[in-house]
Amino acid sequence: NAGVTQTPKFQVLKTGQSMTLQCAQDMNHNSMYWYRQDPGMGLRLIYYSASEGTTDKGEVPNGYNVSRLNKREFSLRLESAAPSQTSVYFCASRAGTSVSYEQFFGPGTRLTVL
Amino acid sequence: TQLLEQSPQFLSIQEGENLTVYCNSSSVFSSLQWYRQEPGEGPVLLVTVVTGGEVKKLKRLTFQFGDARKDSSLHITAAQPGDTGLYLCAGLPSGSARQLTFGSGTQLTVLP
Repeated sequence: NAGVTQTPKFQVLKTGQSMTLQCAQDMNHNSMYWYRQDPGMGLRLIYYSASEGTTDKGEVPNGYNVSRLNKREFSLRLESAAPSQTSVYFCASRAGTSVSYEQFFGPGTRLTVL
Repeated sequence: TQLLEQSPQFLSIQEGENLTVYCNSSSVFSSLQWYRQEPGEGPVLLVTVVTGGEVKKLKRLTFQFGDARKDSSLHITAAQPGDTGLYLCAGLPSGSARQLTFGSGTQLTVLP
């Protein structure tokens, strides 16, 4: 099992450019998440998908869109990148909503917006 | 947003020393998890505590959930360089908003 995979690992964009971050999991998990991690701020939830076909906003959704393509894949799109979106982006998945369920994280995408 | 505050933000100690990291909130959580993150990787779950007052041990790491389920601590005994990393607490709020809230993290460096 590969777990949670993310592409690309690194990306540099110019202000105004668009891009899509890809995420896939092979654990048959229902829930998938996109977080951003900035120094001193932990992980902040951007969007999540509790099940295939549903998506919901998290704490910091502005400037992002998501697509739950199927049960395995959950993509994050930046339509017009801004320097404030420079961050490390993590995708995660979780089997269900039980209090003890673990979230499994991908290795992250390091995005720089110039 | 349910706020989780971690302290200290940075900690640098010598091998063999003991340390405690704190995770505090004014909100009640159904459960609390601790993750460890190494450079260039995503966080990995260490433990989940669910019951108020619960204590769990993982080798030299001891995790405690506060009686009121608003706070938690991580104690490491005889720290080793392999313990170096970013430690994150994450709480699952009580009620209908069932998404994890992460603390800001504690960067631990254990010097040989």
